[in-house]
Amino acid sequence: NAGVTQTPKFQVLKTGQSMTLQCAQDMNHEYMSWYRQDPGMGLRLIHYSVGAGITDQGEVPNGYNVSRSTTEDFPLRLLSAAPSQTSVYFCASGRTGTGNTEAFFGQGTRLTVV
Amino acid sequence: GENVEQHPSTLSVQEGDSAVIKCTYSDSASNYFPWYKQELGKGPQLIIDIRSNVGEKKDQRIAVTLNKTAKHFSLHITETQPEDSAVYFCAASIGDSNYQLIWGAGTKLIIKP
Repeated sequence: NAGVTQTPKFQVLKTGQSMTLQCAQDMNHEYMSWYRQDPGMGLRLIHYSVGAGITDQGEVPNGYNVSRSTTEDFPLRLLSAAPSQTSVYFCASGRTGTGNTEAFFGQGTRLTVV
Repeated sequence: GENVEQHPSTLSVQEGDSAVIKCTYSDSASNYFPWYKQELGKGPQLIIDIRSNVGEKKDQRIAVTLNKTAKHFSLHITETQPEDSAVYFCAASIGDSNYQLIWGAGTKLIIKP
């Protein structure tokens, strides 16, 4: 049972480059989200989705795009990388119904922008 | 905006002793409060959660208490073991959402042998 799979695990980008962080889940979860984790700041929500074709902005969406064409996949795109986007990125999924609130996280992608 | 404050940022306790981590939240509409444990190199994992209609919840050595009037909630770990060493995050729901959360900054728990 794979759960939530993120690729790549590590990435170094030059300022101005673009890239896509991949996230896939095999639990048929409606809800998927992307967080960034910075030292001393906990997790901050970037974008989220409550189903295929539906996305919305979180707390820190600037510089990132998402799409949700299938239930399983929720890629995060960095359009023009900046050093301020150096962080650890986590994808999470979960159910949206009442009583089913656990978020399942991937192992993270450590991104460095130089 | 809404926020969650978590204290302490680092907590060192002797193996076998208890550990307490405290959080306060600002959104009076929050009604769901989970705690996650993050081990090195891994994503966070849910360890216990509580809803606003309950004051306390226990699961073996872990308990969470909630004071809605004061808008604070705490994680209690008894009889700490080396495997409890990790970073712990509290979170509060944004309003009554089941899945949108505001997170605390985390507490690094160190269990001394």
